[in-house]
Amino acid sequence: EAGVAQSPRYKIIEKRQSVAFWCNPISGHATLYWYQQILGQGPKLLIQFQNNGVVDDSQLPKDRFSAERLKGVDSTLKIQPAKLEDSAVYLCASSLEGSYSDEAFFGQGTRLTVV
Amino acid sequence: DQQVKQNSPSLSVQEGRISILNCDYTNSMFDYFLWYKKYPAEGPTFLISISSIKDKNEDGRFTVFLNKSAKHLSLHIVPSQPGDSAVYFCAASAGPNDMRFGAGTRLTVKP
Repeated sequence: EAGVAQSPRYKIIEKRQSVAFWCNPISGHATLYWYQQILGQGPKLLIQFQNNGVVDDSQLPKDRFSAERLKGVDSTLKIQPAKLEDSAVYLCASSLEGSYSDEAFFGQGTRLTVV
Repeated sequence: DQQVKQNSPSLSVQEGRISILNCDYTNSMFDYFLWYKKYPAEGPTFLISISSIKDKNEDGRFTVFLNKSAKHLSLHIVPSQPGDSAVYFCAASAGPNDMRFGAGTRLTVKP
């Protein structure tokens, strides 16, 4: 079974530039999450999708971050414009609908460095 | 908000000994707790979980203990192996598809 795929693995951009990350969840997983993990901290939920609908985006900085999940499969997370404090690893995860998160599978993450 | 806290950023133990990783939480609505393990350059992988109706769950060398009155859980690894060296995240959930993570504890198991 293929895991959660994310790209790119690494990205370096200058502040005020834009960046986009892509995630392909495990086939059949209705729930998709984007997490931000700043160095030395645990993953923080940014947004959660159930199929192509948003379940929770309360911690998403909506003035600069946006995410979509077209057709309830792949998802993209965009930052525009980026700030220095956005430097982090962005993790995508997916799980079966209604699971108690113990079946959440994570991708390898995208490490973003904003300079 | 730090609803889930792992106060020890690092832990070092000798191979064969017990590793004990601790986690505290503040939200009494949490009813499901998980431990994830993360190797460098990889995403976290699920390790073990426990429901609030239990106080212990065991899976091979890994045991999670839950003390609801103290809002505390711990992960015991016995015996510890060098391959267990990783960052361990405690997570708590107040419902399906909802997780809050601690900051993680880096475990180093020395041969």
